[in-house]
Amino acid sequence: QVQLVQSGAEVKKPGASVKVSCKASGYTFTNYDINWVRQATGQGLEWMGWMNPNSGNTGYAQKFQGRVTMTRNTSISTAYMELSSLRSEDTAVYYCARGLTVTTSDYWGQGTLVTVSS
Amino acid sequence: QSVLTQPPSVSAAPGQKVTISCSGSSSNIGNNYVSWYQQLPGTAPKLLIYDNNKRPSGIPDRFSGSKSGTSATLGITGLQTGDEADYYCGTWDSSLSVGVFGTGTKVTVL
Repeated sequence: QVQLVQSGAEVKKPGASVKVSCKASGYTFTNYDINWVRQATGQGLEWMGWMNPNSGNTGYAQKFQGRVTMTRNTSISTAYMELSSLRSEDTAVYYCARGLTVTTSDYWGQGTLVTVSS
Repeated sequence: QSVLTQPPSVSAAPGQKVTISCSGSSSNIGNNYVSWYQQLPGTAPKLLIYDNNKRPSGIPDRFSGSKSGTSATLGITGLQTGDEADYYCGTWDSSLSVGVFGTGTKVTVL
């Protein structure tokens, strides 16, 4: 069965970086995009961007341009999302998801809570 | 602030029907496919509808989607207590070049 398993919760100080991993199983990793979405506590969903694991091509929301990097390691079917220059407003649960399209995700990871606090 | 507007909440008794609207513009809903997600408390979103009105395998036909112009609608019939959740619409915005989600709607089963 398709599964996306994300890395554990992180606590970071303002200005630091965080790298969240997303390990895929149950399907051919390079056949589907990986989308990243975040959700602050009590808030709605926010689309961050996508990555094509086959080509490595990426597309980021302008809001995160220059701060986000999405990469992958195809040998271990794992995608990564790194967010730098963290601020308190980045405190949220970060989800990876298998993309049917860049905005349609059919399988989701369990989420990774990133807390930014001094 | 989302570019897609949903009602904050809807409610109905068990067995009844609810509809959730998602209002956008020509740059998003008007020219792109819409998806719908269900998010139960404390869990990741789950895809209910894609390409405006298609259901993934395993999603019961109690859930339906439609689109007209710059608005989309999710319908849930035969409401069950297990349907209590937050529901989000999503699509691409061609002007902003970004994926966008609706503001979210909380469904309460009375």
